[in-house]
Amino acid sequence: NAGVMQNPRHLVRRRGQEARLRCSPMKGHSHVYWYRQLPEEGLKFMVYLQKENIIDESGMPKERFSAEFPKEGPSILRIQQVVRGDSAAYFCASSPGRQGARDGYTFGSGTRLTVV
Amino acid sequence: AQKVTQAQTEISVVEKEDVTLDCVYETRDTTYYLFWYKQPPSGELVFLIRRNSFDEQNEISGRYSWNFQKSTSSFNFTITASQVVDSAVYFCALSEASTGNQFYFGTGTSLTVIP
Repeated sequence: NAGVMQNPRHLVRRRGQEARLRCSPMKGHSHVYWYRQLPEEGLKFMVYLQKENIIDESGMPKERFSAEFPKEGPSILRIQQVVRGDSAAYFCASSPGRQGARDGYTFGSGTRLTVV
Repeated sequence: AQKVTQAQTEISVVEKEDVTLDCVYETRDTTYYLFWYKQPPSGELVFLIRRNSFDEQNEISGRYSWNFQKSTSSFNFTITASQVVDSAVYFCALSEASTGNQFYFGTGTSLTVIP
């Protein structure tokens, strides 16, 4: 019974390239959340998605960042034209229903993005 | 405004000492949930405990205990007889019934247990 799977674990991109981060939720979970952890900071909410829908993207930067969770396949967090300030750990979490933050959802191990 | 404050940035203790990590939260909701997560050096986030706003009973789990006090808006975490394996960053988090599915995390407390 695999947990939340994120890949890659580490990703290095040059400035201006695109970064694609993947998250496969736990089996049976149809709700996905993305958080960003900047160096020496706590995690900050980015976006909450249900299959084929973005429910809350209030924490997403207005430009260059997008997220999707298609009917089939993993959720993708996409960062276009990366800059050094995008270097961070990106965590994904999943829940079976809409009450994820009430119950405490399960986090993946994160993707560490380094922009050089 | 910061909803969750962890004033202690770094703490060092000698093995077998007790240590308390402080967490103060701020919310206008009457229904909310508090959590502690551990982030060891390997980087993953490990769930430790969940508390809802209607349950102020303190909880003990082995060497871990939590003290929830609504009067002071605090949810402190104590490790008794600390061990080297307890070295990690510990995050306190809040979720509110009114704001949906988002966690508000504190900035974390880095605990180092010295052998």
